[in-house]
Amino acid sequence: NAGVMQNPRHLVRRRGQEARLRCSPMKGHSHVYWYRQLPEEGLKFMVYLQKENIIDESGMPKERFSAEFPKEGPSILRIQQVVRGDSAAYFCASSKNGLLAGQSSYNEQFFGPGTRLTVL
Amino acid sequence: DQQVKQNSPSLSVQEGRISILNCDYTNSMFDYFLWYKKYPAEGPTFLISISSIKDKNEDGRFTVFLNKSAKHLSLHIVPSQPGDSAVYFCAASAFSSGYALNFGKGTSLLVTP
Repeated sequence: NAGVMQNPRHLVRRRGQEARLRCSPMKGHSHVYWYRQLPEEGLKFMVYLQKENIIDESGMPKERFSAEFPKEGPSILRIQQVVRGDSAAYFCASSKNGLLAGQSSYNEQFFGPGTRLTVL
Repeated sequence: DQQVKQNSPSLSVQEGRISILNCDYTNSMFDYFLWYKKYPAEGPTFLISISSIKDKNEDGRFTVFLNKSAKHLSLHIVPSQPGDSAVYFCAASAFSSGYALNFGKGTSLLVTP
């Protein structure tokens, strides 16, 4: 009964390179959320996806960042042309229910262990 | 624009005593509140939640209290155990925003033997 899986756990990139972070949700979960935690800060929401759909990307920087959750395979957060300010811990969470499920019950989000991105 | 605030960065409590962690929020649209526990180099672990239609929810040693008029919630841990030492995050969400969680900056709890 695996939980949310993220890989890699640690990622080092030089300025200008691309970073790809992967997230496999818990079994039976079809809603994925990405959060970023800067040093000494709480987690900040970035994007909410359901299979093949971006539901809410209001927390995503307008440039260089993109996310997808294909029908098959993990969700991917992609950062192009990384800069030092992108260094952070990136957490993925999944939930069973979500807004589009039409459920009135609330959903708990279960988090993965995070990917720590360091930009040199 | 911090909509969820945890004003105590750290708290130290003796084993067996009660730990009370506080959280304030500013957005009246929030209707669901959660507490997460986090160890270093790990992801947050869900602890307990409460919806805005309730004022108390209890799960074992953990109780969450919600005061909507004051926009305040608290997490009580009793009795506190050394294994409870971790960073505790308060989070809030609104149905209108698709359940994206808004987190506080966390309170580091240390339970001493």
